[in-house]
Amino acid sequence: QVQLQESGPGLVKPSQTLSLTCSVSGASISDGSYYWSWIRQRPGKGLEWIGIIYYSGLTHYNPSLKSRLTISVDTSKNQFSLKLTSVTAADSAVYYCGRDHLGPWGQGTLVSVSS
Amino acid sequence: EILMTQSPLSLAVTPGESASISCRSSQSLLHNTGYNYLDWYLQKPGHSPQLLISLGSKRASGVPDRFSGSGSGTDFTLKISRVEAEDVGVYYCLQVLQAPWTFGQGTKLEIK
Repeated sequence: QVQLQESGPGLVKPSQTLSLTCSVSGASISDGSYYWSWIRQRPGKGLEWIGIIYYSGLTHYNPSLKSRLTISVDTSKNQFSLKLTSVTAADSAVYYCGRDHLGPWGQGTLVSVSS
Repeated sequence: EILMTQSPLSLAVTPGESASISCRSSQSLLHNTGYNYLDWYLQKPGHSPQLLISLGSKRASGVPDRFSGSGSGTDFTLKISRVEAEDVGVYYCLQVLQAPWTFGQGTKLEIK
């Protein structure tokens, strides 16, 4: 059974960098069968696609975040990560990691941007 | 960027009745493989999204056959037959034909 778990700070100060890691169990990122995804959900809002990464490091990003976003993969740890720089309150959201567009998705982690 | 438009944005359904949600895309989602790259998701209150339908009409594992997806090109429909109380939540369509993947605004289903 494939499971994903997000981890990282729940509070980030404005202008700093938001860093999250997704740990995958029950599947190997390096088998190349899927992309691995990040989405987010601002409080009371809909789902927003952030980006995806392939085991090789190939990425696709949401253009609205591209200038601030880096998604990376560590196949040795079976993890992939998200870094979002220069955050503002608008980046406060529940962040989910998932397998491709098919899921499953992690339980989500709430990140608040506040001083 | 492909724009996804759902309607209605909310609906209230009596248990046992059916419900339909429409999703329209600004570009055709029909791939040259013959599949429509359109998924349907349900997000139950307080939970992560869960896949219901992929490739326009393929029910995900464990999803009751009360859920069905149809449509092609730019017009898609999710139908829920015999709505149950456990079906409450927000339904999203998602296009995965091209990056950036884009979600519809979501449709909130409530039980009367």
